[in-house]
Amino acid sequence: QVQLVESGGGVVQPGRSLRLSCAASGFTFSSYGMHWVRQAPGKGLEWVAVMSYDGSNKYYADYVKGRFTISRDNSKNTLSLQMNSLRAEDTALYYCAKLSSGSYPEDYWGQGTLVTVSS
Amino acid sequence: SYELTQPPSVSVSPGQTARITCSGDALPKQYAYWYQQKPGQAPVLVIYKDSERPSGIPERFSGSSSGTTVTLTISGVQAEDEADYYCQSADSSDTYRVFGTGTRVTVL
Repeated sequence: QVQLVESGGGVVQPGRSLRLSCAASGFTFSSYGMHWVRQAPGKGLEWVAVMSYDGSNKYYADYVKGRFTISRDNSKNTLSLQMNSLRAEDTALYYCAKLSSGSYPEDYWGQGTLVTVSS
Repeated sequence: SYELTQPPSVSVSPGQTARITCSGDALPKQYAYWYQQKPGQAPVLVIYKDSERPSGIPERFSGSSSGTTVTLTISGVQAEDEADYYCQSADSSDTYRVFGTGTRVTVL
């Protein structure tokens, strides 16, 4: 069955870096664009970034642009998010997701990895 | 930046109909998707492409679109439908995704 398993979360000081990973299985990872979505404690869902199926295109939300970098390795079925210059407001549960789209209606989410930015 | 606006809360009695709206300028051009999220769980897709229902989602969930507003309708609400609901769509250039502000559905 489809699995998305995030890892790499933890407690980090403001201004430091963290790298999240997402291991995918059970579907053809290399065929789909992949997203990171986050949710601060007690708050709503917030889209973070997307990378196209082949890595040729990537887009970011304004609040992470210039600080976060999304990448993927289709040979290893993994998606990553390099987070630099972390701020308290980046504290959230980070989900890796294959979001439904017009061409590909399937929708998959991991269980998330928690990032806490605190001194 | 692009925003999708939802009412913060909707309350409904069991067996009644709940309607949740989502407004955004690009919705006439972009599909909308609806998610249900229960505490401690990842979101679950309940409607895609404005009005399509994924397999396994009960028929009481339906979606519709009119201009800059899309609507999720839950007919014959059950206690298990109590959750947060989010719409999601793309900006007009289909570059990035946006989630709505979220609506908490309370079953009285």
